Amino acid sequence: KQEVTQIPAALSVPEGENLVLNCSFTDSAIYNLQWFRQDPGKGLTSLLLIQSSQREQTSGRLNASLDKSSGRSTLYIAASQPGDSATYLCAVRGAQKLVFGQGTRLTINP
Amino acid sequence: GAVVSQHPSRVICKSGTSVKIECRSLDFQATTMFWYRQFPKQSLMLMATSNEGSKATYEQGVEKDKFLINHASLTLSTLTVTSAHPEDSSFYICSARYRAWDTQYFGPGTRLTVL
Repeated sequence: KQEVTQIPAALSVPEGENLVLNCSFTDSAIYNLQWFRQDPGKGLTSLLLIQSSQREQTSGRLNASLDKSSGRSTLYIAASQPGDSATYLCAVRGAQKLVFGQGTRLTINP
Repeated sequence: GAVVSQHPSRVICKSGTSVKIECRSLDFQATTMFWYRQFPKQSLMLMATSNEGSKATYEQGVEKDKFLINHASLTLSTLTVTSAHPEDSSFYICSARYRAWDTQYFGPGTRLTVL
């Protein structure tokens, strides 16, 4: 059974800092891995999707990496802004379904 | 990108009543739709998977008689919470996918409060 873990559970940093969110998964037989953002009381916004054959994906200030063999992914956020404050969810796609991590609650302090 | 809508966005009902939540794929045909439940400050838990024209497949521990799922067309799935109780209060999110290898697109969620 696939298990996805995100560390840390919560993170608070000053504006402007670069930061890394971590995601680990137990079963390396995945199709892809996706990072989402969720604002309080809202649905999910897809940030980046990495196929199992890829090592990383970039979008603006976001960069996600995937090391399938070690079961790890990182989401790098450069030059953080208060608007980046949200919960970030990592999800791994297996044969049939997405399995989500518990999320990292990020707060960027002005 | 593909858009998935949910209606209503927020619903408050009395204990014992039934509530229906709609999920629509607006610009693509969703052969598979998923229903998730999210408790406060927790992650999404998959409740069931439905393929168009077929019965839904429920995850372990999800009561199929309480959470009725209908996927009657390629653009619409409904979740009916029957005889709702306060413990059914939660945030329900649907997701849709066209083909097995495609990205899943998520709806904005429905906040259900049962008094």
